[in-house]
Amino acid sequence: QVQLVQSGAEVKKPGASVKVSCKASGYTFTNYGISWVRQAPGQGLEWMGWISAYNGNTNYPQKLQGRVTMTTDTSTSTAYMELRSLRSDDTAVYYCARTGSGSPPIDYWGQGTLVTVSS
Amino acid sequence: EIVMTQSPATLSVSPGERATLSCRASQSVSSNLAWYQQKPGQAPRLLIYGASTRATGIAARFSGSGSGTEFTLTISSLQSEDFAVYYCLQSNNWPLIFGGGTKVEIK
Repeated sequence: QVQLVQSGAEVKKPGASVKVSCKASGYTFTNYGISWVRQAPGQGLEWMGWISAYNGNTNYPQKLQGRVTMTTDTSTSTAYMELRSLRSDDTAVYYCARTGSGSPPIDYWGQGTLVTVSS
Repeated sequence: EIVMTQSPATLSVSPGERATLSCRASQSVSSNLAWYQQKPGQAPRLLIYGASTRATGIAARFSGSGSGTEFTLTISSLQSEDFAVYYCLQSNNWPLIFGGGTKVEIK
């Protein structure tokens, strides 16, 4: 069965960076991409970007360009999301999600990683 | 950038009643529209993709319709486990955009 298992909760100070991992199993990793989606406390879902596990191509929303980097390690079927220059409004649960090239776009989700940014 | 607007923000429904949720796109997204259900403390779960195709294992009481800019998620007879927040997602263009969500609560 498809599983996405994320790394544990993080507490960071403003200005620091965080790197969250997402280990995939149960499918051919390079046949899909990975999206990252975050959810601030009590708020809705925000798509943070996508990476192709096949060739490493990425697509980021303009809002996060320059602050976010997504990578993959195909040898371990693991995706990573690094967010830099953290601010208090980056406090959120961060999800990785399997993303197909067609339909459905996002089908399986990780369990989420809480990142808290606080001085 | 496409804007996805969901309405209403909150829907109060009695168990056994029908719930109709709306999602509107600021420009056409063809049929590239998915619906997700999220319960407190859980990751979202895919319900509908391609505007009207139920995902694997999703009960038949969930149905989706629409194309272009207007979409509807219908829950024909609400069960206790259906009280949750529902999000639409457009995947016709980058960036992917979620709607703001509709909370379905017990009346």
